[in-house]
Order: sequence, then C-alpha cells, then structure tokens
Amino acid sequence: DIVLTQSPATLSLSPGERATLSCRASQSISSYLAWYQQKPGQPPRLLIYDASNRATGIPARFSGSGSGTDFTLTISSLEPEDFAVYFCQQCTNWPLTFGGGTRVEIK
Amino acid sequence: DVRLLESGGGLVQPGGSLRLSCAVSGFVFNNYAMTWVRQAPGKGLEWVSTVTSSGSHTYTADSVKGRLAISRDNSKNMLYLQMNDLRVDDTAIYYCAKGHIGWDFDSWGQGTLVTVSS
Repeated sequence: DIVLTQSPATLSLSPGERATLSCRASQSISSYLAWYQQKPGQPPRLLIYDASNRATGIPARFSGSGSGTDFTLTISSLEPEDFAVYFCQQCTNWPLTFGGGTRVEIK
Repeated sequence: DVRLLESGGGLVQPGGSLRLSCAVSGFVFNNYAMTWVRQAPGKGLEWVSTVTSSGSHTYTADSVKGRLAISRDNSKNMLYLQMNDLRVDDTAIYYCAKGHIGWDFDSWGQGTLVTVSS
C-alpha cells in the first residue's frame, strides 16, 4: 500500500499568512494526488486534483504542486474560512489511501 | 445541483448487519464511478470501496473485504454498501462520494453514522 505522510500535523498561523502543507508518498504516484479540505461536522471538499488543478469553484489562493513523491498545497493568504483540516489522497494505486491530515489552526 | 444523501446508519451489535444507501441526483449517475469512504470519530479518512460506472468492477479495502460489499442500481440512481459481520472498529461516519476525473472525489454526501457496540 502507498503510505502518504502529511506534515506538519498542525500549522498555527494568522489570517493573511501563507500556509504551506506537505504530503509525501512512499513511492512515486506521478501527479495522481488530490487535496481535500474538511471543516468540523462537514464532509471533505475537493480542492486540487492531479496535483495542481483547482477543482470547480475553488479560489485562486489555493494552489498545488509536486510530482513523484513530494507534493505541496499552498494557501497564499489565509482567510478565516480556511482554518480546517486538509487531507491528501493518492489516486493511482489500489487501495486508494489518504494522508493523516494537517490541521490549520488560528494562531 | 449534485446531491448525495446517505441513509441506513445506526447502532448495531458486533456481528450484526446493516445496509447503507446513497441516493444521488443532479448528474448522470451511470457515467461515474462511486465510492464509500469512512471516518472513525476524530480520525482521518479511510477508503472503503469503489464501484465503476457500469457496476462491472469493484475494488474493496482488505480490512473489509468479505464483510462489506458495494453495489449500485443505475436504474434507481442508488449506491449501496452491504455491511455484514460488523466489528467495533467499523464504527465510523460513512460517506458516499462521486468520482471525478480519476479516482478522486468531487462531491460527497453528509455521511451516515454507523456505531458497532454491544
């Protein structure tokens, strides 16, 4: 199984700051990586697919990069509604797997 | 609007069975793969099972294989998860999710809670 390791586990930042979240795969997954945002009591929401493509309706402050084993989700300037948990998912090998998540909290 | 509505969750004893349903609307159901993902209380996301658009192929996590089975009825726009021989560690919110470009998921239901406890 492909293991996805997200870091850091928690990111404490202020609104307006830049957030950089990492996802590392245990083997190459090319660009088959998705990012999701989840807020308390809500289902996940797709942000990024194929490592760098924003999903429909996702603001431009969210961007994804990387390929192979190392991936990054960047939020250029945090808005109050961006404080949430973020998960990455590899979309190429069965079983599909998710990272453990990064919580972005208000500093 | 795309809508996915899960139902069928509840409290069940270890060894018991449940059948989850997911009613969908707002898109051409038989064009998309569908998936169940679960989330134990306070934990991360775990992929459970995927069925292709036609229903001809399924993929299932080893942790539930032989006990949980995904299926779909394209004539009714319904997705199902038959859950047998349930264990305490199957306790989770179960989400149905719509396939997107690849094996990612662009729409999710609100989830249904399954609690396995004696």
